[in-house]
Amino acid sequence: DTAVSQTPKYLVTQMGNDKSIKCEQNLGHDTMYWYKQDSKKFLKIMFSYNNKELIINETVPNRFSPKSPDKAHLNLHINSLELGDSAVYFCASSQVGGGGWTQYFGPGTRLLVL
Amino acid sequence: GENVEQHPSTLSVQEGDSAVIKCTYSDSASNYFPWYKQELGKRPQLIIDIRSNVGEKKDQRIAVTLNKTAKHFSLHITETQPEDSAVYFCAASRGGKLIFGQGTELSVKP
Repeated sequence: DTAVSQTPKYLVTQMGNDKSIKCEQNLGHDTMYWYKQDSKKFLKIMFSYNNKELIINETVPNRFSPKSPDKAHLNLHINSLELGDSAVYFCASSQVGGGGWTQYFGPGTRLLVL
Repeated sequence: GENVEQHPSTLSVQEGDSAVIKCTYSDSASNYFPWYKQELGKRPQLIIDIRSNVGEKKDQRIAVTLNKTAKHFSLHITETQPEDSAVYFCAASRGGKLIFGQGTELSVKP
């Protein structure tokens, strides 16, 4: 019954590797987001997709590439991982069309780059 | 771009006291202001939100006030309980892009 789910929950990897995080929402929302929460708990938006179209692309290294195969899924692929990529990555969704602005967050993926 | 400042960064209160967290934002076009609670190791969860056409909103022990002229909004928690202990984030949004404050770690001592 989880509304927004992410896999994996934990990811430990070596510098230089490539990894992906997957997100799915079953709320029927039209918009999905990726946020990064650093070690100081600061939450920062990275990307947003509305109906599979990229609408927000913050200043993020191009090693990060989001992909939305359909409006219920938003994946994040990270190339050439660096130590500074260690963080918790949250997916979120909302129904922007119709004025629903509440964003619902997934459980997070804790990425540790060694 | 939008910038959101949140104060204080830590707040300790006795059970039963009130807690107030304040935020200011820079973009006068922001029109949606949610507050999220994040418990340790968990996801942020919406506790209350307010839109720019409303000055105040209350939900049981939680209330939010918005002063559009001053670009301030505040979270008020009354009769605090130990389970209110968490990190609280304010955010401001225009067009769905949430810009978060730095967070307030609230500790409620029994």
